[in-house]
Amino acid sequence: NAGVTQTPKFRVLKTGQSMTLLCAQDMNHEYMYWYRQDPGMGLRLIHYSVGEGTTAKGEVPDGYNVSRLKKQNFLLGLESAAPSQTSVYFCASSTPGLYNEQFFGPGTRLTVL
Amino acid sequence: RKEVEQDPGPFNVPEGATVAFNCTYSNSASQSFFWYRQDCRKEPKLLMSVYSSGNEDGRFTAQLNRASQYISLLIRDSKLSDSATYLCAVKAGDTGRRALTFGSGTRLQVQP
Repeated sequence: NAGVTQTPKFRVLKTGQSMTLLCAQDMNHEYMYWYRQDPGMGLRLIHYSVGEGTTAKGEVPDGYNVSRLKKQNFLLGLESAAPSQTSVYFCASSTPGLYNEQFFGPGTRLTVL
Repeated sequence: RKEVEQDPGPFNVPEGATVAFNCTYSNSASQSFFWYRQDCRKEPKLLMSVYSSGNEDGRFTAQLNRASQYISLLIRDSKLSDSATYLCAVKAGDTGRRALTFGSGTRLQVQP
């Protein structure tokens, strides 16, 4: 039982390049989330999904797209990377419910030059 | 004003000390509350949920004050291993997304 995994762990991009971050969970969770964490800012929600085939915008969605074609996977895409997207990206998953725990992946450190 | 605010610290305390953190939230529709622990360059992990009646888990006690819209975390008999950043998080009940809104974290450094 791996929990939540993220690929890749580290990546350096040049401005304008594209990439996809992959999140996978093996806990059969309905809800999945993408957050970004910047120094002094806490975690901010980019996009989320409440089930296979559904996605929605969070607080800071601009410049990102997502897809949830399979229940266990949640992909985050950057079509044209910008230096402002340099951050640590965390994926999380949970079951529905107000007090249900969100489980986080180990994070992806992305640098955009 | 940020939706969830925390004192960034750092709080530097000696081993064995008692330390308390507060976190204020602005959304009165917030329904559930949590403390997460984050070690350097690692993912956040749930430390404890915070219920209306308060709750205790060993050396850790969490309290909720809905009237003043804050939650607190008390750590007794601090250990070196408690050194980390403590993030408070709230979840609003009036949205379907069940996402967490995080504070920016309070850094704790326990010294020998």
